[in-house]
This record gives sequence, structure tokens and C-alpha cells, in this order.
Amino acid sequence: AQSVTQLDSQVPVFEEAPVELRCNYSSSVSVYLFWYVQYPNQGLQLLLKYLSGSTLVKGINGFEAEFNKSQTSFHLRKPSVHISDTAEYFCAVSESLNTGFQKLVFGTGTRLLVSP
Amino acid sequence: GAGVSQSPRYKVTKRGQDVALRCDPISGHVSLYWYRQALGQGPEFLTYFNYEAQQDKSGLPNDRFSAERPEGSISTLTIQRTEQRDSAMYRCASSLVGNYGYTFGSGTRLTVV
Repeated sequence: AQSVTQLDSQVPVFEEAPVELRCNYSSSVSVYLFWYVQYPNQGLQLLLKYLSGSTLVKGINGFEAEFNKSQTSFHLRKPSVHISDTAEYFCAVSESLNTGFQKLVFGTGTRLLVSP
Repeated sequence: GAGVSQSPRYKVTKRGQDVALRCDPISGHVSLYWYRQALGQGPEFLTYFNYEAQQDKSGLPNDRFSAERPEGSISTLTIQRTEQRDSAMYRCASSLVGNYGYTFGSGTRLTVV
């Protein structure tokens, strides 16, 4: 079974500052990794995903994440945040099965608060 | 449709009543998933369909919960004899087969009073 830990429940940051949202996972098998964002009163939107290949993954809205197998981490970063990035961010993991079916295991989320 | 549509958006029901939550996936998406998200938590897997076949229902908490997708498109999650602990956001997602990363709907917030 897999599990995901997002240690920071809330991250306050000033506009145009860099940010890192931390995600660590646990699994006995190979995994796929995902970051989703939830804006207020909206559904979850896929930001980026790691399936294989390059460990640095670029996503939408200027976000990127780096897969570190030895540290079992998949931290999300953005060099300069905007007010509009204020949202809840969820890290998720699934087994890397080539079945087309994914059971995602989510972390508890990190609320990013961007202030002027 | 353009996105995953869920209805109703909000549902308040009395304890003991049955509720049916509807999910209309993106046209052409054969995989459909249901998740439940409690306040302050991440979504938790409930069940999964491939076309009309329910492939995995290991996340359904007990036999009061059931789901169907009879024609391989719209899905209904039914909760019988609701209890206060069933209060949560229920999320539906869909994807193409083999596409890693779902599209989620906006969810149905269920409150049992």
C-alpha cells in the first residue's frame, strides 16, 4: 500500500517570492506521482505528473516538481508566485501499473496563501 | 460535455434517508472514479468503473454504499440509510483508458443532519 505525507498544512508566502510545497511518499513498489490544485469552489485540477524519465517535471502555471527516489520525495516548486496561486495543493501517488486504472492515494493537502 | 458534471452541487438530507449522487463524465471517457473527501483531508478512493463494469469497489466503506454505471456513461453513487458520518464532499473523476491523471468534477457536498 502507498501513503503520502504533506507535512505543511499551510504555507504563507508573499507575492513574487519562491515557494516549495513538500511531499513525501511511502511505497514498496514503483509509483507514479501527481500534484493537483483545488481553487475555492472548484474541482481538483491536475498540475503535473511523473510517470517515468526525467525526474524534473514541468506543469501548468509555472509549477515544477522533482522526483527524488532516494528521498521518496516529490516536492512542488514555483520561482515566483502570484496572488492567483492561492489554493489547496494535493500530492498523490499510485502504483505504476500499466493497466490504465489508477487508484490514487492523496495527501492531506497544503494550503498556499499568497499575500501582497 | 466540456467537463465532469456532478449533481446536485449541495445536498442536505436527514439521517436515515437515501441519497443518490450523479456524475456525468467527459464524453468519450471510459474510466470513471468516485472519491470521498472529508473536511481537512485528501480525497479517498471509493470505486472505479471501466465502461459499465465496476472493476474495483474496495473503497466503499460498507454495504450502504453502492454505485452503478449501467450504460457506460452517467454514474450514480447511492447511499442508503444515511448517517452523520457520511457527510463529506463526494468527487467524481473520469479519464481516457491509459491516460494517467484524471479530470475531476466540482463535487457534491453532502450534509447529513
